[in-house]
Amino acid sequence: KQEVTQIPAALSVPEGENLVLNCSFTDSAIYNLQWFRQDPGKGLTSLLLIQSSQREQTSGRLNASLDKSSGRSTLYIAASQPGDSATYLCAADNYGQNFVFGPGTRLSVLP
Amino acid sequence: GAVVSQHPSRVICKSGTSVKIECRSLDFQATTMFWYRQFPKQSLMLMATSNEGSKATYEQGVEKDKFLINHASLTLSTLTVTSAHPEDSSFYICVPPGGNTEAFFGQGTRLTVV
Repeated sequence: KQEVTQIPAALSVPEGENLVLNCSFTDSAIYNLQWFRQDPGKGLTSLLLIQSSQREQTSGRLNASLDKSSGRSTLYIAASQPGDSATYLCAADNYGQNFVFGPGTRLSVLP
Repeated sequence: GAVVSQHPSRVICKSGTSVKIECRSLDFQATTMFWYRQFPKQSLMLMATSNEGSKATYEQGVEKDKFLINHASLTLSTLTVTSAHPEDSSFYICVPPGGNTEAFFGQGTRLTVV
């Protein structure tokens, strides 16, 4: 059974810092891995999707990497801004079936 | 991407009443939809899988008589929380199957039972 964990659980940084969020999964046989953002009281916003054959994806200040063999993915946020404050979730897609979500990392970027 | 719309986004109901949550797929036909719930400071947990034209399948520990799921068409799945109690207060979200394209989820539904 796939299990997804995220470290750290919470992170508070001053504006402008580069930061790394970590995601680990137990079953490396994933179809893809997706990073989401969740604002308080809101739904999920897709940030990046990394297919199982890829090693990384980039969108603006965000870069996500995937190492299937070690069961790890990282989300790198460059030059963080207060608007980046949210909970970041990673989710493993098991062969196009249901997503298994991690518990999330609550990020607070201080102005 | 797979675009999903969920309604309502927020609902407050009295204990003992029932609440229906609708999940519509806007740009694709969904034979399957996954329903998750999220308690405060916990991760999204799969509750059940709705299947168009057949009965939903429930995860262990989820009461199927309490959380009624109907997948009436290829574009609509509904979750009805029957006889809601305060412990049912949670964030509920429907999620389409994964795949090679990014999934765009709806707002989810924040249910508060008073």
